[in-house]
Amino acid sequence: DMQMTQSPSTLSASVGDRVTITCRASDNINNWLAWYQQKPGKAPKLLIYESSSLENGIPSRFSGSGSGTEFTLTITGLQPDDFASYYCQQYNYLWTFGQGTKVEIK
Amino acid sequence: QVQLQESGPGLVKPSETLSLTCDVSGGSIISDNWWSWVRQPPGKGLEWIGDFHHTGPINYNPSLKSRLTISVDKSKNQFSLRVTSVTDADTAVYFCAGTVRNWGPGTLVTVSS
Repeated sequence: DMQMTQSPSTLSASVGDRVTITCRASDNINNWLAWYQQKPGKAPKLLIYESSSLENGIPSRFSGSGSGTEFTLTITGLQPDDFASYYCQQYNYLWTFGQGTKVEIK
Repeated sequence: QVQLQESGPGLVKPSETLSLTCDVSGGSIISDNWWSWVRQPPGKGLEWIGDFHHTGPINYNPSLKSRLTISVDKSKNQFSLRVTSVTDADTAVYFCAGTVRNWGPGTLVTVSS
């Protein structure tokens, strides 16, 4: 079974910080990797698809990189609205989610 | 823009069957998409339940497969999920989705007597 290992599980940061979240796949998923932001009581919101493509309407401070098994989400210049949970997801074969990263205020 | 909306009972008794429906609007369920169910227990992460394509293939999460049925009603442009023999562990917000960018708002299902 495909496993997605996401780290860290919690991240404390300040407005303006650059933050990085990492996701590792247990097998090659090519670039079929998405990143979501989720706020309490809401559905996940797509930020990045195909590893590095920015979804329409998403601010450019969000970026994704990686291929194969190692992937990264970077937020450059953290804004107050960015304090939320983030999930990676592989969709190369079926769907598998990472465990999630909660970005909280330092 | 495709929109999805989940519906179904918010409370199910232990050992009974959970049934949910996802209504699709703004797009056709017979388009070249895979349609999915995902759930999220309170305070926990996202778990993929299963998906299907209108041409026939249905995939289930192996850990839940024995209790799952996903079905589609093309005439109503909707699809459904059934989970049998539910326990407390099935309490979750259930989402339907069509591709990675189109998700329903989710519906909370609580398993309790």
